[in-house]
Formats: sequence, C-alpha cells, structure tokens
Amino acid sequence: NAGVMQNPRHLVRRRGQEARLRCSPMKGHSHVYWYRQLPEEGLKFMVYLQKENIIDESGMPKERFSAEFPKEGPSILRIQQVVRGDSAAYFCASSPQGSGELFFGEGSRLTVL
Amino acid sequence: SQQGEEDPQALSIQEGENATMNCSYKTSINNLQWYRQNSGRGLVHLILIRSNEREKHSGRLRVTLDTSKKSSSLLITASRAADTASYFCATEGMDSSYKLIFGSGTRLLVRP
Repeated sequence: NAGVMQNPRHLVRRRGQEARLRCSPMKGHSHVYWYRQLPEEGLKFMVYLQKENIIDESGMPKERFSAEFPKEGPSILRIQQVVRGDSAAYFCASSPQGSGELFFGEGSRLTVL
Repeated sequence: SQQGEEDPQALSIQEGENATMNCSYKTSINNLQWYRQNSGRGLVHLILIRSNEREKHSGRLRVTLDTSKKSSSLLITASRAADTASYFCATEGMDSSYKLIFGSGTRLLVRP
C-alpha cells in the first residue's frame, strides 16, 4: 500500500514562473492537507481539501496560490508568478477521515532563483 | 497564529539518557499529536492523545496531557542515536475544520 506520493521532490523555478506541486493521497484517503515549511521551522497550515471541495483555505496567501483536489487524479498546489519568498518545502498529508493521524508525503522542495 | 510551541528548541543528550520535550498550546483541543521528522524527510506520526486522556504510552514513548495548563510532554526513554530528529507537537482544535496546527519543533541530538 503506497504512502502519500508527492512530485516533484525538487523543483527549481525563476521568479515569475509557475510552480505546480502534485500529491496523490494514500489509497482510500479522501482528505488532503497542504503545509509549508521554511528551514528550521515548523509546518504552517495552508489548505484542507476533500474531493472537489476546499474545506479550509485559511492558511493560503490571498494571491498567486491555489489548490484543487479533483474527482480524478492528484491534488495540485499551484503557485503563480513565484517569488524568492516562496522557496520552501511543501508537504502534503492525507487522512481517511477528517480527524486524527495525518500521513505525510516526503515533500516537494521549491527553490526560486 | 501558531498553536503549539515546543520547549526546548534544541536538546542534546547522551545515548541511553531520557529526552523530555514540552509543548504548550492556546485554545481548546480535540486531540494533540506528536510527530517526528528526520532531516530532509516527511513527518511520521508517533502518538495521539485525546483531550479526555492524561497519559499514553507507545514503546519507549510516554506522552502526558494537562488540559488545565494547556500543555503536553513527550518523554523518550533510553534514547538511541537513531532518535536524532526534530519532534513536533500538533493540535487539532475544537472548531469544525479538523486541521492540525504544528509547533515550531524541538531538535533532538542523541550523541553515541
């Protein structure tokens, strides 16, 4: 049973480009969370999604960031017109229900030049 | 705003010693969880304690929860070099969102 799969593991973008990060939750999990982690810091909540629904996006920056979890396919975190401050590790987690233990992927590390 | 804050920020101990990490939080919770993160890796769930529980054990791990003080502690007994990692507490609030809010973590170094 594969765990949470994130890709790419590493992504380099120049300022102004777009970054797309993908997350396939564990089989049977319909709840997906995205977190951002800066070096030497904890994880900051960004968004919580269920299939085709955004449940809580209170941690998402108002501009340039969007997330989706379509009926078919992975969840996608999209960052438009990236800036250097977007450089971070982005972690996806899933759970079979909306409460309890989260299962994390290995993260996608974005570097903006 | 960040919910949990760990203390200490960094801890260095000798192999075989016990390691204690503390976590404080601000609002009412459904549960509190502890996670471990090895450098450059994802987080791994260690243990979950519900708001109506006071203590929980899992192998060499012991977690306590004091809801009156809004604090929790994680004790790792007989530490090993392989326990070297960052440890995070995370709280699930009593609102309807079920999101976990993470603390800033304790970096544990276990010297062989």
